Amino acid sequence: KAGVTQTPRYLIKTRGQQVTLSCSPISGHRSVSWYQQTPGQGLQFLFEYFSETQRNKGNFPGRFSGRQFSNSRSEMNVSTLELGDSALYLCASSPRAPDSGANVLTFGAGSRLTVL
Amino acid sequence: AQTVTQSQPEMSVQEAETVTLSCTYDTSESNYYLFWYKQPPSRQMILVIRQEAYKQQNATENRFSVNFQKAAKSFSLKISDSQLGDTAMYFCAFMNLQATGQAGTALIFGKGTTLSVSS
Repeated sequence: KAGVTQTPRYLIKTRGQQVTLSCSPISGHRSVSWYQQTPGQGLQFLFEYFSETQRNKGNFPGRFSGRQFSNSRSEMNVSTLELGDSALYLCASSPRAPDSGANVLTFGAGSRLTVL
Repeated sequence: AQTVTQSQPEMSVQEAETVTLSCTYDTSESNYYLFWYKQPPSRQMILVIRQEAYKQQNATENRFSVNFQKAAKSFSLKISDSQLGDTAMYFCAFMNLQATGQAGTALIFGKGTTLSVSS
């Protein structure tokens, strides 16, 4: 059974550009969450999607957005990149809907974004 | 708002020894889950163990066990018979099961403890 697949694994952008990261969940998983990991702030929740709807959102500016497709694949987009957006972006999938009990998250390997 | 605190940034242990990683959390909620995740140098976050708050019995998974003290809001991880492959950063995480506000069912992580196992 394939795990959570994130692409690209590494990317370098310059300030002001935008970036799109992709996440393919485990087959059958319908919930996808995104987290940002930085040395200073640690792991922070970005947003969660289920059935193509954003169910939860963390405390991030509107430059961070996401979406989920009918096949449960998800993308996140960061516009007008800033140096502080350099981070490891982790995607996680789970089989259950939010609010339906504990969701055990399975994480992908992450996308390492460097903003110059 | 919930918070998770891991007070040990780094720990080291020798193979076959036992080590305990500390975690405390703060919440006013009563229905929640606690997790320990492991992130080896390869970066893939892996679930180690989870604990339901309503269960008094401490969770165990092979060499990994927790000491869950609900009143004290403490959730420590014990690794027995440490192995080189246990070298990783360990994150304690909290999940509120009541979808209230933006936190919802999102995981709230501690800052992590880097564990080094040497031979």
